[in-house]
Amino acid sequence: DTAVSQTPKYLVTQMGNDKSIKCEQNLGHDTMYWYKQDSKKFLKIMFSYNNKELIINETVPNRFSPKSPDKAHLNLHINSLELGDSAVYFCASSQDDGGRFFGPGTRLTVL
Amino acid sequence: GENVEQHPSTLSVQEGDSAVIKCTYSDSASNYFPWYKQELGKRPQLIIDIRSNVGEKKDQRIAVTLNKTAKHFSLHITETQPEDSAVYFCAASRVHKLSFGAGTTVTVRA
Repeated sequence: DTAVSQTPKYLVTQMGNDKSIKCEQNLGHDTMYWYKQDSKKFLKIMFSYNNKELIINETVPNRFSPKSPDKAHLNLHINSLELGDSAVYFCASSQDDGGRFFGPGTRLTVL
Repeated sequence: GENVEQHPSTLSVQEGDSAVIKCTYSDSASNYFPWYKQELGKRPQLIIDIRSNVGEKKDQRIAVTLNKTAKHFSLHITETQPEDSAVYFCAASRVHKLSFGAGTTVTVRA
C-alpha cells in the first residue's frame, strides 16, 4: 500500500524516559514533517525535512530531536519525557509544498 | 508568522442542509490553502485545496472559495450527510510552513 506509516501507534511511558517514534513514506515525496496535536485538537508543526535537510524547526524543546536517514524516513526521538508531552504525534509527507499526507498518528501518554 | 483563524468552532446542521466554514489568514505571502477532515481517532485527510491563483474550486459536494484581497477562504459542503460529521481544519501555507486553524466540529443531524 502506498502510504505514510508510523510506529508505534500507542506509547505509554513514565516521566523522564526516552522514546522514539518512526515514520516512513513510500509516496516518493521529498518533504516530511512532524506535527503535534494536543488535547484541544490543535495541529502544530514541529519539524520539516526536505530531501533529508532540516528546513523548519519550530519552537520545540531541544529534548525533541528529529532524524532523517533518507528522504523516505523521518524519526522523532524524545528525551526526558514530561507530562506536557502527552499528545498525538503525526508524521506527514508532501511533494514540495503540496498537500500533506498524514500517517495514522502515535498517541503518547506520559504518566 | 502566519495566523489562521477559523469560525465557527462547532456547527450543527440538519442532514441535507449546507455547511459553511470560514477562515482568515494574516500572511499575504501565503499561496496554498488546503482543507482537512479528521474523523474521531483518525488521521487528518486532505479533502480539497486551492492555490492563490484560483478563486474557486469544486469537487462534487465540496467547494472552496478564496478572496486574496480580504485574506479569507471558505469551505462549503452541500447536501450534508451523516458521514460528513467530523472536525474540519483549514490551513494556509507559505514555503513549506503550513499553519492550521483551530478546527470546526461539524455534526450532521439525521
